[in-house]
Amino acid sequence: GAVVSQHPSWVICKSGTSVKIECRSLDFQATTMFWYRQFPKQSLMLMATSNEGSKATYEQGVEKDKFLINHASLTLSTLTVTSAHPEDSSFYICSARDLILYGYTFGSGTRLTVV
Amino acid sequence: GQQLNQSPQSMFIQEGEDVSMNCTSSSIFNTWLWYKQDPGEGPVLLIALYKAGELTSNGRLTAQFGITRKDSFLNISASIPSDVGIYFCAGYFNAGNMLTFGGGTRLMVKP
Repeated sequence: GAVVSQHPSWVICKSGTSVKIECRSLDFQATTMFWYRQFPKQSLMLMATSNEGSKATYEQGVEKDKFLINHASLTLSTLTVTSAHPEDSSFYICSARDLILYGYTFGSGTRLTVV
Repeated sequence: GQQLNQSPQSMFIQEGEDVSMNCTSSSIFNTWLWYKQDPGEGPVLLIALYKAGELTSNGRLTAQFGITRKDSFLNISASIPSDVGIYFCAGYFNAGNMLTFGGGTRLMVKP
């Protein structure tokens, strides 16, 4: 079945630094990938939709300059949290949409802690 | 963003009991999906439903796509401790749409 690999699974960084999270579709091509943020005991909140070769579409209230998204190939999207602050600490999850089956497969998530 | 109405929010049951949870939407969906999320992990697809009225099983799990296309339910029979986790419903109208998620049902199973 479709597999999405997300790295790192957890990261701790200092305030003011930037962190990059990678999302790869391992056995299928994904023209569209999605980035979610999840707070404890809450549902997934869509941050942005990443389209291969074009600019990402951000949801209302999500700062595009803070959460940089790059989707340079059909199998890789990256989310960079720039100048991270403690309030950016959260669980970030990516998802890739299969072109053929239109299934949505999720990565295993990244726990970001900013200290 | 929009969310589906998922209930109950949490359940605490005895091992061996059956569980039922459901989702409703104010708008029509053409695909309903049910995911399970374990702590610290991403959601994993359990069952996908593509046709109104469809009833699909996956082991002890059974899900149905409501005939009105505005609701779906998930049943888990004979629950076991490893069923613990958060269950999310999700749906979309067509393949080009983003997924809309329910708020999740947190399931706890007492051995």
